[in-house]
Amino acid sequence: QVQLQESGPGLVKPSETLSLTCTVSGDSIDNSYWSWMRQPPGRGLEWMGHVHYTGRPKYNPSLQSRVTISVDTSKTQFSLRLNSVTAADTAVYYCAKFGNGGQLDYWGQGALVTVSS
Amino acid sequence: QSALTQPASVSGSPGQSITISCTGTSSDIGGYNYVSWYQQHPGKAPKLMIFEVSNRPSGLSNRFSGSKSGNTASLTISGLQAEDEADYYCSSYTNSGTYVFGDGTKVIVL
Repeated sequence: QVQLQESGPGLVKPSETLSLTCTVSGDSIDNSYWSWMRQPPGRGLEWMGHVHYTGRPKYNPSLQSRVTISVDTSKTQFSLRLNSVTAADTAVYYCAKFGNGGQLDYWGQGALVTVSS
Repeated sequence: QSALTQPASVSGSPGQSITISCTGTSSDIGGYNYVSWYQQHPGKAPKLMIFEVSNRPSGLSNRFSGSKSGNTASLTISGLQAEDEADYYCSSYTNSGTYVFGDGTKVIVL
């Protein structure tokens, strides 16, 4: 059974960097593409980007200049960094695993990150 | 990239069938069969319901079905049940190698 768990600070100050880690269990991180999504309170889902350990990450064009997604195969983890955050980046952040048909078939429970001073 | 267009809400009575539309462009839905649908209950993570336009994950009720025509994908829920009340999101691969979600549709069981 594949399981994903997000971890990281729940509060980040404006202009600082948001950092989250997703720990994967029940599957090899070498096998798939891994993705981050976010959902502001009361709003819809936004795809942020995805990564495969062998290739370059792919990012949402609207976040391209601020986002970095990377894989740590030794720890079966992948990470999200979002620079220069503002209150608009307050959201629940989800990590997920891509299946072969472009679907996100396993999701973490989500981590609420609030941007506030 | 613009979000795919979904109706804000769709409602139906128990036992009825409802259909949620998801409209994109030839650069996403119209160009690929990598369309997925997700169900999200309040405070919960999204759950995959349909992938590759019309495929159901193993074990998922056959009351859920998907289709596509041109630039519009659709999710149909037949035999509507109270537990189907949730938000539903479509998603598609795009010709930029990225993914895009729909605005989301709230399903209301009357």
